[in-house]
Amino acid sequence: DVKVTQSSRYLVKRTGEKVFLECVQDMDHENMFWYRQDPGLGLRLIYFSYDVKMKEKGDIPEGYSVSREKKERFSLILESASTNQTSMYLCASSFHSNQPQHFGDGTRLSIL
Amino acid sequence: SQQGEEDPQALSIQEGENATMNCSYKTSINNLQWYRQNSGRGLVHLILIRSNEREKHSGRLRVTLDTSKKSSSLLITASRAADTASYFCATDAGTGRRALTFGSGTRLQVQP
Repeated sequence: DVKVTQSSRYLVKRTGEKVFLECVQDMDHENMFWYRQDPGLGLRLIYFSYDVKMKEKGDIPEGYSVSREKKERFSLILESASTNQTSMYLCASSFHSNQPQHFGDGTRLSIL
Repeated sequence: SQQGEEDPQALSIQEGENATMNCSYKTSINNLQWYRQNSGRGLVHLILIRSNEREKHSGRLRVTLDTSKKSSSLLITASRAADTASYFCATDAGTGRRALTFGSGTRLQVQP
């Protein structure tokens, strides 16, 4: 069965910290995505990757970076965490960019 | 409004009733997808409808697409308490953007 695994369900960090969110998929998918989800705003795309070492900015990339060194793993990095980055972060993957995405269960990140 | 806006934002019905959710979008699309999200979990893909299709069924789900009106609807027939979730539409604009655009979702509550 298809699986996307996010490293933490809940995470609490302090402002100014460098934060790493990890995502692993076992489906050999080319594409991987990072979203944040806030009440009333739906899912907003932060970054995505269509191949190893390739990345493309989404709609709200400011304050974030990503890394994809291996096909199965896509990391989201908050360079210097701020309170307005408190949110639910969702990772997803798909074979083709316009095909159904498979989601992890999310990481609820709180920045204090 | 953004690409892929759902209407209504929230819907409460009794078990056994039908639930209809609508999605409007702005640009031409290759396909439109519907997802479901249970509270605190990731999204799960339900159904994909291509731009040259008008209607699609999957179990108790029926999706329609009207490209002239740039709108889609998701009908859940004979709803159950277990259908309680948020439902999102997502569009593939096919304009070179290699990612889906999600709406803000409809929260469906099915009362037992």
